[in-house]
Amino acid sequence: DVKVTQSSRYLVKRTGEKVFLECVQDMDHENMFWYRQDPGLGLRLIYFSYDVKMKEKGDIPEGYSVSREKKERFSLILESASTNQTSMYLCASTPGGGGSRLFTDTQYFGPGTRLTVL
Amino acid sequence: RKEVEQDPGPFNVPEGATVAFNCTYSNSASQSFFWYRQDCRKEPKLLMSVYSSGNEDGRFTAQLNRASQYISLLIRDSKLSDSATYLCVVSLGGGADGLTFGKGTHLIIQP
Repeated sequence: DVKVTQSSRYLVKRTGEKVFLECVQDMDHENMFWYRQDPGLGLRLIYFSYDVKMKEKGDIPEGYSVSREKKERFSLILESASTNQTSMYLCASTPGGGGSRLFTDTQYFGPGTRLTVL
Repeated sequence: RKEVEQDPGPFNVPEGATVAFNCTYSNSASQSFFWYRQDCRKEPKLLMSVYSSGNEDGRFTAQLNRASQYISLLIRDSKLSDSATYLCVVSLGGGADGLTFGKGTHLIIQP
């Protein structure tokens, strides 16, 4: 059974702090994703990665960066947290096309991190 | 431009009833279609993929209408446990930037 875990369920940070959100999957999936979900806006893709050390911007990358040093781990970084980054952050993974950024399979989501920036 | 539209609801439906909702998509080049279910304060989980010929999984039936660019989800004999938000997901194929989530339809099954 695929398992995607996220480092924290709830997180409270102050404006200007550097924030790290960690995601780990245990099924050797090539593709990993970071989304944020806000009421009335749905899920929006921040960044994704289709291979180790590879990353691509999603729809709303501003204010975020990512790191993928190992296949199983994909980190989202808020360099200087702001109040408008208060949100639910969801990580997902899916098997892919061997690093070719292609995929058609199910996305498996982690439980989410509810981040509040004060 | 990729757009996926869903009626946000809530749909309030008595237990045992049949309920159906649609999702429209704007990009005719869309190739893959899915319904995800998301319980309150939980992560989305795949409910079913939607195939061109339509598909059924127990009480759930999904259909695709390419000509009118919508997909539908039908739930028969609804259960209290069906209460959730149902997300429509449309993919252009290719990379993750071709994947678009609808904002979801909130379903409440009432006893």
